[in-house]
Amino acid sequence: DGGITQSPKYLFRKEGQNVTLSCEQNLNHDAMYWYRQDPGQGLRLIYYSQIVNDFQKGDIAEGYSVSREKKESFPLTVTSAQKNPTAFYLCASRDQGASYNEQFFGPGTRLTVL
Amino acid sequence: RKEVEQDPGPFNVPEGATVAFNCTYSNSASQSFFWYRQDCRKEPKLLMSVYSSGNEDGRFTAQLNRASQYISLLIRDSKLSDSATYLCAVKTVGGGADGLTFGKGTHLIIQP
Repeated sequence: DGGITQSPKYLFRKEGQNVTLSCEQNLNHDAMYWYRQDPGQGLRLIYYSQIVNDFQKGDIAEGYSVSREKKESFPLTVTSAQKNPTAFYLCASRDQGASYNEQFFGPGTRLTVL
Repeated sequence: RKEVEQDPGPFNVPEGATVAFNCTYSNSASQSFFWYRQDCRKEPKLLMSVYSSGNEDGRFTAQLNRASQYISLLIRDSKLSDSATYLCAVKTVGGGADGLTFGKGTHLIIQP
């Protein structure tokens, strides 16, 4: 089955800790994205990557970091510098060769800071 | 002005009825438009891309009005299983980050 997987599904973090959220896809998509969603809010773009070893900041990158060492993987680290990290984190990917830019989402990780 | 706006609802609609909702966008350079469906505590799932000429997929019809800068979603013969939050998303080409800009969603409740 082709798709996007995220782990863990739920994550609890103490204040001051860094945590890394995993995102893997086997769709052979070049582009990958990280969004966060807060209750009653739309998704906001954190980081994106259009090619291996390259990534760009989105609208709310402060307090986050990413890497793209492999096409299939785009992990997100939530650092202690992120002031309000409790949220639903969604990873997405896109086939850049497709005609209409559709993005497809993984199941998400719910992060709670204790 | 917010980039993508939706009426949050909730829209309470009897089963079998037709329901429509709109999404307005502020950036006239927007080029790609989408409707996603999101169930409670789940990820958004692509419902439809919205093409310039409008498009239909079964009971769902999407329209784009570039002059007034909005997209619409029409659901006919609504089912209980249509209850969800519907997110519109817009892709603007050039001049900024890649990625989609999302509205906050419209909550739809289909009542038996």
